[in-house]
Amino acid sequence: AQSVTQLDSHVSVSEGTPVLLRCNYSSSYSPSLFWYVQHPNKGLQLLLKYTSAATLVKGINGFEAEFKKSETSFHLTKPSAHMSDAAEYFCVVANYGGSQGNLIFGKGTKLSVKP
Amino acid sequence: DTAVSQTPKYLVTQMGNDKSIKCEQNLGHDTMYWYKQDSKKFLKIMFSYNNKELIINETVPNRFSPKSPDKAHLNLHINSLELGDSAVYFCASSQGVRGPSGYTFGSGTRLTVV
Repeated sequence: AQSVTQLDSHVSVSEGTPVLLRCNYSSSYSPSLFWYVQHPNKGLQLLLKYTSAATLVKGINGFEAEFKKSETSFHLTKPSAHMSDAAEYFCVVANYGGSQGNLIFGKGTKLSVKP
Repeated sequence: DTAVSQTPKYLVTQMGNDKSIKCEQNLGHDTMYWYKQDSKKFLKIMFSYNNKELIINETVPNRFSPKSPDKAHLNLHINSLELGDSAVYFCASSQGVRGPSGYTFGSGTRLTVV
């Protein structure tokens, strides 16, 4: 069965410092992994996706994630946090079975950015 | 142009009422979904339609009935609303069930049952 575990429910950083949001996955086949962001009272926006091409994936707004099969991890990073990065971040794995497919979400990590 | 649009954005209603949420996508996708986000922000699939055909129906009370009149629309009707139905409901779409580019989500409908 497919699943993702986000290791931190809340991460707080200062503006201008690096961001690290951790995600481990479990998959019975080569996974497709995503990071989505949800700003307060807004919808979900796709940040980046991994679909078995390059292991280092670059996304929007300076975010990137590295797929590490040996560690079953897909951590999200950004070199320098901005105030506008404050939001809820979801690590997601695709679940495919026969003619069906859907996304399985982690429980989310709330990122706070201090001035 | 909004890619996936949901209406209404906010819905406040009394227990026992029946309500509908509408979703439309203009991306030409053939698969649409309803997800529920609870008060702890946890998101879970409810339904999925591919080319107007129901392909995923998770363990959801049968008070919830999706309807897809065409592949650009997926509506959600809820009968006899209960307090526990209060949540944010997200519509999403993808091309094919594997959605290689990920899913595109609507901005959500915040349902409050009082």
